[in-house]
Amino acid sequence: QKEVEQNSGPLSVPEGAIASLNCTYSDRGSQSFFWYRQYSGKSPELIMFIYSNGDKEDGRFTAQLNKASQYVSLLIRDSQPSDSATYLCAVLLSGSARQLTFGSGTQLTVLP
Amino acid sequence: DADVTQTPRNRITKTGKRIMLECSQTKGHDRMYWYRQDPGLGLRLIYYSFDVKDINKGEISDGYSVSRQAQAKFSLSLESAIPNQTALYFCATSDLPGAGADTQYFGPGTRLTVL
Repeated sequence: QKEVEQNSGPLSVPEGAIASLNCTYSDRGSQSFFWYRQYSGKSPELIMFIYSNGDKEDGRFTAQLNKASQYVSLLIRDSQPSDSATYLCAVLLSGSARQLTFGSGTQLTVLP
Repeated sequence: DADVTQTPRNRITKTGKRIMLECSQTKGHDRMYWYRQDPGLGLRLIYYSFDVKDINKGEISDGYSVSRQAQAKFSLSLESAIPNQTALYFCATSDLPGAGADTQYFGPGTRLTVL
């Protein structure tokens, strides 16, 4: 079992819809969770991080964390074609000497 | 100016050649990382450094070496390049532990092709 798992997709949603991206992790002691966006051929850029159970909102983005179920999700409201990218989930695993472990990413396409 | 820079941005080389990828940062961060990215495999950690005197192997360090010349500079070397080292390489930095401080900031990447 991979330590951080994401559905590779591709996930397609129509413009204006809500895109839902999911990530599960194996280490119950993990404390910090990050979502990065990566356009093709470009470097990952941070969207948001979350530490506490529940929801955290930033503009059109909402991160949701459920430590009991060991999943973290990212919702993108009012999806735009410019949101088309690969979304990487990263987890700071407990005892990892503060290294982030990345999932393999979910490719999102927003259709105009 | 970019906070994290990488040189070169693209490199084509031949099997057996020694290659050095360089990373510089102006963010003032102590921690620096080297990753490689292959299609479908996400980012995999090669080496990381928490300060100038601290170098650690990551998940896939075989065939690579690093040098932390200063707080701002972290170089990755391929002593004898092989074709399966063809990948996109990223340097990243992060601040000391604290709220949000584990966030990693990435350079623009180096696309390396080994023929």
